[in-house]
Amino acid sequence: KQEVTQIPAALSVPEGENLVLNCSFTDSAIYNLQWFRQDPGKGLTSLLLIQSSQREQTSGRLNASLDKSSGRSTLYIAASQPGDSATYLCAVRPNYGGSQGNLIFGKGTKLSVKP
Amino acid sequence: NAGVTQTPKFRILKIGQSMTLQCTQDMNHNYMYWYRQDPGMGLKLIYYSVGAGITDKGEVPNGYNVSRSTTEDFPLRLELAAPSQTSVYFCASSYGGAGLAATDTQYFGPGTRLTVL
Repeated sequence: KQEVTQIPAALSVPEGENLVLNCSFTDSAIYNLQWFRQDPGKGLTSLLLIQSSQREQTSGRLNASLDKSSGRSTLYIAASQPGDSATYLCAVRPNYGGSQGNLIFGKGTKLSVKP
Repeated sequence: NAGVTQTPKFRILKIGQSMTLQCTQDMNHNYMYWYRQDPGMGLKLIYYSVGAGITDKGEVPNGYNVSRSTTEDFPLRLELAAPSQTSVYFCASSYGGAGLAATDTQYFGPGTRLTVL
């Protein structure tokens, strides 16, 4: 059974720091991995999607990497800002019979960036 | 485009009551999903649909029912509400889902916060 783990559960950094969020998954049979941002009381916003054949994706100050063989992904945030404060969720889309696109989520990392 | 909309935003139910959570998307997506998120936990899939008239169970379907009569709408029905169904419910949609089409992004609604007392 696919399980997704995110470490750390919470992280507090001063503004301007570069930081890394970690995600690990137990089964390498995946179509893709997505990183989402969730603001309090809001829905999820997709940040980056990495297909299983890709190694990384970049969007602005965000860079996500994927090492499928080792079951790991990292989300790198450069020059963090207070507006980056949110919970970051990692999710994988399993690649096995019967799966129709459902995502398996980690519990998230709650990030606080202090001015 | 409004994207994915959900109603209501908040609801309090008594044990044994029933209700329907509404979800509508205007992106002409084929796939739609219902997830629940318990405090401090990741999202878990309740039901999903690959197109109008086709639905299937996810990881935690017990106590829920769905229907998909149109491409746009995917309501979630709670029958005989229980305290264990207290959660935040998210609806999502995507253009494709399985096989080679399973590379696209899921778009989420703002959620419905449900409390069962």
